[in-house]
Amino acid sequence: DAGITQSPRHKVTETGTPVTLRCHQTENHRYMYWYRQDPGHGLRLIHYSYGVKDTDKGEVSDGYSVSRSKTEDFLLTLESATSSQTSVYFCAISESSSGSNEQFFGPGTRLTVL
Amino acid sequence: AQSVTQLDSQVPVFEEAPVELRCNYSSSVSVYLFWYVQYPNQGLQLLLKYLSGSTLVESINGFEAEFNKSQTSFHLRKPSVHISDTAEYFCAVSRSGGSYIPTFGRGTSLIVHP
Repeated sequence: DAGITQSPRHKVTETGTPVTLRCHQTENHRYMYWYRQDPGHGLRLIHYSYGVKDTDKGEVSDGYSVSRSKTEDFLLTLESATSSQTSVYFCAISESSSGSNEQFFGPGTRLTVL
Repeated sequence: AQSVTQLDSQVPVFEEAPVELRCNYSSSVSVYLFWYVQYPNQGLQLLLKYLSGSTLVESINGFEAEFNKSQTSFHLRKPSVHISDTAEYFCAVSRSGGSYIPTFGRGTSLIVHP
């Protein structure tokens, strides 16, 4: 299994509070992604990174920011959490040299915003 | 731009029966195609992929998918399902030769009944 961990695995927070989710990889892969998964919507891309300090927006980036200061870590921050951000968040990685664009996923973080 | 349509949100089937999960895509360029599986409370994991060559690809647990360029489809099949195949299945497409931002379908929930 690809070495991807996410922390925390579960979090309950209140509306208006900041939240940071961490994704850590031990594979030295170049690309990292944050998705959210909601019933009826499948997986939706929030942000992705194609290298240290290189990030870009996905289709549902409003209300989220990211940072990647090291190859192995990709942080997702909700500056002021809202109930609409209650979801399961998945981190994924992929490596350009493999040529296949195959992604490896972390175990997920279940976030509840009250 | 590319898109993926999974035609069935839920597929109930009895154990040992055959199953087909449908996936259609649209893209103006050559693509790579993937099926991922998500077991309850886990992240996604790659089931099989089509990059080039033989249009029929197989997984180690008996699933197969056939790339049909004329019909822009990549349907997933298994001749005899087990209870343990109960999971969410996601079809994904990415542009071959450079894009590392895949597009996912909304998922199909396969429910295998005894």
